[in-house]
Amino acid sequence: KAGVTQTPRYLIKTRGQQVTLSCSPISGHRSVSWYQQTPGQGLQFLFEYFSETQRNKGNFPGRFSGRQFSNSRSEMNVSTLELGDSALYLCASSLEQLTDTQYFGPGTRLTVL
Amino acid sequence: AQSVSQHNHHVILSEAASLELGCNYSYGGTVNLFWYVQYPGQHLQLLLKYFSGDPLVKGIKGFEAEFIKSKFSFNLRKPSVQWSDTAEYFCAVRGSTLGRLYFGRGTQLTVWP
Repeated sequence: KAGVTQTPRYLIKTRGQQVTLSCSPISGHRSVSWYQQTPGQGLQFLFEYFSETQRNKGNFPGRFSGRQFSNSRSEMNVSTLELGDSALYLCASSLEQLTDTQYFGPGTRLTVL
Repeated sequence: AQSVSQHNHHVILSEAASLELGCNYSYGGTVNLFWYVQYPGQHLQLLLKYFSGDPLVKGIKGFEAEFIKSKFSFNLRKPSVQWSDTAEYFCAVRGSTLGRLYFGRGTQLTVWP
């Protein structure tokens, strides 16, 4: 079974721009979570989607948003990019229950110049 | 809010040495506990997990972890490490009724051949 896939793998943007990252979960998984990984803050939870609805949200500003499609694929969007948004953005999928194990994708490395 | 502490930022061992990585968490309710590993250039992979039952859980590649409820700890162990265990190890905690994971800051393990 294919794992979680994320596209693109690398992105370079400039301050003020916006970016959209994509995540395809493991087949059959209906929940998608997003995390930001930085050397300074470690791994931090952004949000989680299930059945096209945001089920959980972390403490990030409104510039960070996401959505989920009917096929469980998810996108996250960051508007008005700041230098501090440079990070590895990880997507994780799980079956459907809040208690199901999360499996991670390879991440998208975003660099903001 | 939950928090996770990993006591060792960087651990250096020789092959065949024993390993113990500490993880403590703060959360008053029932928890699910995880160890994830990130090998160089690879994505986060699940090493082992504890949901309930026997507090000593075994994972892949000879790793095990013990949940000690009274100490709020979930330490990772391996009796004899190999060079291929060189990686970053993350402890993660989740309240059993919540979807999001709280991660520790990670421990970089370097094993010398």
